[in-house]
Amino acid sequence: EVQLVESGGGLVQPGGSLRLSCAASGFTFSSYEMNWVRQAPGKGLEWVSYISSSGSTIYYADSVKGRFTISRDNAKNSLYLQMNSLRAEDTAVYYCARVVPYSHGAFDIWGQGTMVTVSS
Amino acid sequence: SYVLTQPPSVSVAPGKTARITCGGNNIGSKSVHWYQQKPGQAPVLVIYYDSDRPSGIPERFSGSNSGNTATLTISRVEAGDEADYYCQVWDSSSDQGVFGGGTKLTVL
Repeated sequence: EVQLVESGGGLVQPGGSLRLSCAASGFTFSSYEMNWVRQAPGKGLEWVSYISSSGSTIYYADSVKGRFTISRDNAKNSLYLQMNSLRAEDTAVYYCARVVPYSHGAFDIWGQGTMVTVSS
Repeated sequence: SYVLTQPPSVSVAPGKTARITCGGNNIGSKSVHWYQQKPGQAPVLVIYYDSDRPSGIPERFSGSNSGNTATLTISRVEAGDEADYYCQVWDSSSDQGVFGGGTKLTVL
């Protein structure tokens, strides 16, 4: 079964750090571009970051640029999001999502999400 | 940055046709993707590349894109279609993903 499973969420104080992980299974992870997407409580979806299949190309939303770092380990079938200098407005469910090849950025497989709460 | 505009809500009776719009400057030149999200669940891709359906998505779901408006059409609406729907594009000018604000579909 094709699956993405996020972990690493939790409660963190403003200014703190957190590292999210996304474990992939059921497909050749190294062949797919990946993204992180978040959703604040009661709000819509917000794209966060993109990484190419090799990890050589990376993009960020303006709201997280300079604070978040996306990475991947294809040998471990895993995607990561290092989040530093966290703010209250970063509170959200964070999803990892796989890109449909040659689709100009459609996300066909999503994880169940992991909740990040930034609060003192 | 590129902006996608969706109506906050759309209501439709069972068996009728629902149309959810997504507005953006010259959106017809971009590939538009649509997601369905039910409460407490992750989003599900229902249309990609303007009008293609992933396997497992009913033929009742269709999409179109032209000019400044993309449209998700759901024919013969069922109670189970009640959900939030989001349009999305990749903005190549800024190398960023963009989602619309979402539309809550209510089945009367």
